[in-house]
Amino acid sequence: AQSVAQPEDQVNVAEGNPLTVKCTYSVSGNPYLFWYVQYPNRGLQFLLKYITGDNLVKGSYGFEAEFNKSQTSFHLKKPSALVSDSALYFCAVRDINTGGFKTIFGAGTRLFVKA
Amino acid sequence: DVKVTQSSRYLVKRTGEKVFLECVQDMDHENMFWYRQDPGLGLRLIYFSYDVKMKEKGDIPEGYSVSREKKERFSLILESASTNQTSMYLCASSPLGDQRHEQYFGPGTRLTVT
Repeated sequence: AQSVAQPEDQVNVAEGNPLTVKCTYSVSGNPYLFWYVQYPNRGLQFLLKYITGDNLVKGSYGFEAEFNKSQTSFHLKKPSALVSDSALYFCAVRDINTGGFKTIFGAGTRLFVKA
Repeated sequence: DVKVTQSSRYLVKRTGEKVFLECVQDMDHENMFWYRQDPGLGLRLIYFSYDVKMKEKGDIPEGYSVSREKKERFSLILESASTNQTSMYLCASSPLGDQRHEQYFGPGTRLTVT
């Protein structure tokens, strides 16, 4: 069965410092991996995705994520955090061998960036 | 600019009422989804539809039904609302046949059942 784990409920970081939001996954086949962000009282917005190819993917707002197949991880990173990055972040996985309709979301990690 | 809209941002209903949540997308997407979002649980799939009049149960369909009479519109129905259905409801859409594609989400409806 597919699953996604975001081991940290909350991540605190100072503005200007690098940030990492962790995600690990479990699928029976090859994964498609996604990161979404949710600002207060808003729907989810797509940040980036890994489909195939280069393990380092770049997305919106300066975010990037590294796909690590051996560790089954897809951690979200940003070299220099902004206060405006404070939001709820969701990792999601889709197992391409099971028809692809279903996306499994992690529980979410709340990021606080302090000025 | 692509758009998914939901009929209400906030809704307060009484236990036992029938509740309709509407979602409309303007991207001509075949796939549409209803999720509920609860703290610590992430997003859980209630129902999805890959075509007009087609529907598939997600992980937590109990107490809900859906309707898709037109391609752009996907409705979630709570037949008899209960307090444990108090939650944030998110609608999403994506194109059919492209598993690589991300989903587009509406702004959400925060439903409170009293």
